[in-house]
Amino acid sequence: EAGVAQSPRYKIIEKRQSVAFWCNPISGHATLYWYQQILGQGPKLLIQFQNNGVVDDSQLPKDRFSAERLKGVDSTLKIQPAKLEDSAVYLCASMGQPYEQYFGPGTRLTVT
Amino acid sequence: GQNIDQPTEMTATEGAIVQINCTYQTSGFNGLFWYQQHAGEAPTFLSYNVLDGLEEKGRFSSFLSRSKGYSYLLLKELQMKDSASYLCAVRVPYGQNFVFGPGTRLSVLP
Repeated sequence: EAGVAQSPRYKIIEKRQSVAFWCNPISGHATLYWYQQILGQGPKLLIQFQNNGVVDDSQLPKDRFSAERLKGVDSTLKIQPAKLEDSAVYLCASMGQPYEQYFGPGTRLTVT
Repeated sequence: GQNIDQPTEMTATEGAIVQINCTYQTSGFNGLFWYQQHAGEAPTFLSYNVLDGLEEKGRFSSFLSRSKGYSYLLLKELQMKDSASYLCAVRVPYGQNFVFGPGTRLSVLP
């Protein structure tokens, strides 16, 4: 079974630029999560999708972050414009039944 | 609010036993999860508790007391490859989301 795929693995941008991350979950997994993990901290949920609908985006900074999951399969997370404090690893995870999350390798973003 | 606490760092010797504690205060509870995360890698699932008591899985065991808001992960016969961060996470009813603790960085010394 193929795992969760993410790209790119690394990205360096200047502040105020925009960036997009892509995630392809495990086939058949209806639930998809995006997390932000700052160095030395645990993952923080940004947004949760169930199929192509948003379940929870209460911690997503909506003035600069957006995410979509068209067709209920792969998903993109965008930051526009980026700030220095957005430097982190962005993890995508998917969940089938009943409760186990599978994480992708993550995208390490550095904002200079 | 949601609050999960874990020790920041722990050190243990190869072959020993180590217990990593986790306390939580969350709006609801639908299970407690432990993940292992090696440096620069994604978290991987270790264990899951939804009822009080001990769950054993090879060298790893996890304990839960819901009344105390407390869990621990027990690692036996430590190996060098167990050096990693261990994340405690609570699944909350709203949206069935996961709230993660800050993680405990474990160093296993020879």
